[in-house]
Amino acid sequence: QKEVEQDPGPLSVPEGAIVSLNCTYSNSAFQYFMWYRQYSRKGPELLMYTYSSGNKEDGRFTAQVDKSSKYISLFIRDSQPSDSATYLCAILNTNAGKSTFGDGTTLTVKP
Amino acid sequence: DGGITQSPKYLFRKEGQNVTLSCEQNLNHDAMYWYRQDPGQGLRLIYYSQIVNDFQKGDIAEGYSVSREKKESFPLTVTSAQKNPTAFYLCASSNNLHTGELFFGEGSRLTVL
Repeated sequence: QKEVEQDPGPLSVPEGAIVSLNCTYSNSAFQYFMWYRQYSRKGPELLMYTYSSGNKEDGRFTAQVDKSSKYISLFIRDSQPSDSATYLCAILNTNAGKSTFGDGTTLTVKP
Repeated sequence: DGGITQSPKYLFRKEGQNVTLSCEQNLNHDAMYWYRQDPGQGLRLIYYSQIVNDFQKGDIAEGYSVSREKKESFPLTVTSAQKNPTAFYLCASSNNLHTGELFFGEGSRLTVL
């Protein structure tokens, strides 16, 4: 079993829709939770990170962490065609000093 | 501009040949990483280095080698021992081992003919 499991997708939504991207993890040592966005043939870029249970908002994006369930989510409100990309969750194990990534979910937002 | 530069962007090699991918950063970050990305499999850690002259194996180190002689540079050699080397290789750096925030290069796509 993988340490980080990400809902595989792909996801296709109309412009303006609310998008929910989800990951689960198994290692309680994981302490920091990140979402990266990767456009085609490019390197990933950090979108959001959080370390505590609860919600963190940044514009149209909300990162949600539930440590008791080992579940993290990224919500995108009022989705735009420019949001079309692959979204990767990543979780840092501070003891090991390295991050483990989910397999990514490819999102397409249609105009 | 500060960032991470990977070269070459595209590389073709014949079976049995070693190839070295370059990664240079001017962000003054201590930690550097190499990941491999295959379709549908996310990012898998090959090697990482938290300080000059020191590095650790990641989850899929077999068939790869690295060096960290300078803070700015972390080259990756894909050796002939790597059985399935065709992939997209990503280099990253970090200045915050507590949060793990990674800054990525644009990637190098290696194809074995």
